[in-house]
Amino acid sequence: EDQVTQSPEALRLQEGESSSLNCSYTVSGLRGLFWYRQDPGKGPEFLFTLYSAGEEKEKERLKATLTKKESFLHITAPKPEDSATYLCAVQTSNTGNQFYFGTGTSLTVIP
Amino acid sequence: KAGVTQTPRYLIKTRGQQVTLSCSPISGHRSVSWYQQTPGQGLQFLFEYFSETQRNKGNFPGRFSGRQFSNSRSEMNVSTLELGDSALYLCASSLVGGGTDTQYFGPGTRLTVL
Repeated sequence: EDQVTQSPEALRLQEGESSSLNCSYTVSGLRGLFWYRQDPGKGPEFLFTLYSAGEEKEKERLKATLTKKESFLHITAPKPEDSATYLCAVQTSNTGNQFYFGTGTSLTVIP
Repeated sequence: KAGVTQTPRYLIKTRGQQVTLSCSPISGHRSVSWYQQTPGQGLQFLFEYFSETQRNKGNFPGRFSGRQFSNSRSEMNVSTLELGDSALYLCASSLVGGGTDTQYFGPGTRLTVL
């Protein structure tokens, strides 16, 4: 059965303290791995798509990487406005257009 | 370009009632997917519509249904509401779906069942 697991569930960082969020997956036929950011009471906001192992994408303080079993979202020198829940989702050859989501990592950046 | 819009943003209903939620996708997007988000379960896929046809369906009871119109707008209906249906309902649109189309989400409709 396809599974997506995110860790940690919650993370508190001091402003400027870099860290990484993990998304591990057990799926057959990965077609894409997606990272989203979700603020309270809002819909997920698209960040990155990764398609194959070894791929990396960057946007401001965020960098996403992908291996054959997991993806990392690296946050460099975070700011309080980076506080949000970060979700990863996978799309596989078995799921058509359906995304399987992890339960997310709630990030709090303290000034 | 305008994003995905959902109406209403908030709803309060009582058990046994039914509810209809609406979603307007990004202009040019033809695939619309619906998700239920709860604190315990995260985002769970309900169904996907493309060209007015349901193309994929998640593991939800038949009380949950949907449809898509010729302009790609979609509605979701929940009949005989239960307390456990309280959730944030999210709609996502993509160009054609399938492949590795990115899904873009609306702000959601917060449904509270009393």
